Amino acid sequence: GAGVSQTPSNKVTEKGKYVELRCDPISGHTALYWYRQSLGQGPEFLIYFQGTGAADDSGLPNDRFFAVRPEGSVSTLKIQRTERGDSAVYLCASSSQTGPNTGELFFGEGSRLTVL
Amino acid sequence: QQPVQSPQAVILREGEDAVINCSSSKALYSVHWYRQKHGEAPVFLMILLKGGEQKGHEKISASFNEKKQQSSLYLTASQLSYSGTYFCGTDSNFGNEKLTFGTGTRLTIIP
Repeated sequence: GAGVSQTPSNKVTEKGKYVELRCDPISGHTALYWYRQSLGQGPEFLIYFQGTGAADDSGLPNDRFFAVRPEGSVSTLKIQRTERGDSAVYLCASSSQTGPNTGELFFGEGSRLTVL
Repeated sequence: QQPVQSPQAVILREGEDAVINCSSSKALYSVHWYRQKHGEAPVFLMILLKGGEQKGHEKISASFNEKKQQSSLYLTASQLSYSGTYFCGTDSNFGNEKLTFGTGTRLTIIP
């Protein structure tokens, strides 16, 4: 596909369970971002990859959250021991720019996570 | 710190103009504007880099006053398709890819 693809689009889980959210960026985009958006709020930065490495993970709220991008393309956001407060839409974005803040972010439609 | 947007919400009739403001407590290197329709992904509108530039995109333009740490988005002769929530994203450091988004301005255009 031409855009950023995220799966699943919806995930309902129980408190304490483990969850994986997948992002398939636009082909050739080296930069990949994860944001989290709660209802009525703007996207909140979680982590940024340039290639395979996490260039900035300062937005990850705690050590229950982890993200990987092993081959520099698809990324997986992993959440352990989910809590009700983790419920949100998790947005992935990619960019073709290798320089700072010079390019647009292409967002996926997000994965809506609901923790019961 | 999250930039503050104003107004929080506005309702306009088709053809009217709107201004959305974004204000930061920190010095800014760049400001990015996005529009998000309900249930959809945010879509890029424009980036403004420090230097006080103004950009235009059809009937949507924006300005960036780095001294005041503010940016404004101008929508002229609004169309129904302009409805959505507008977010500014700010960056305070050159080389920092992390954007801090504001809480958004919900714009509703009615016929």
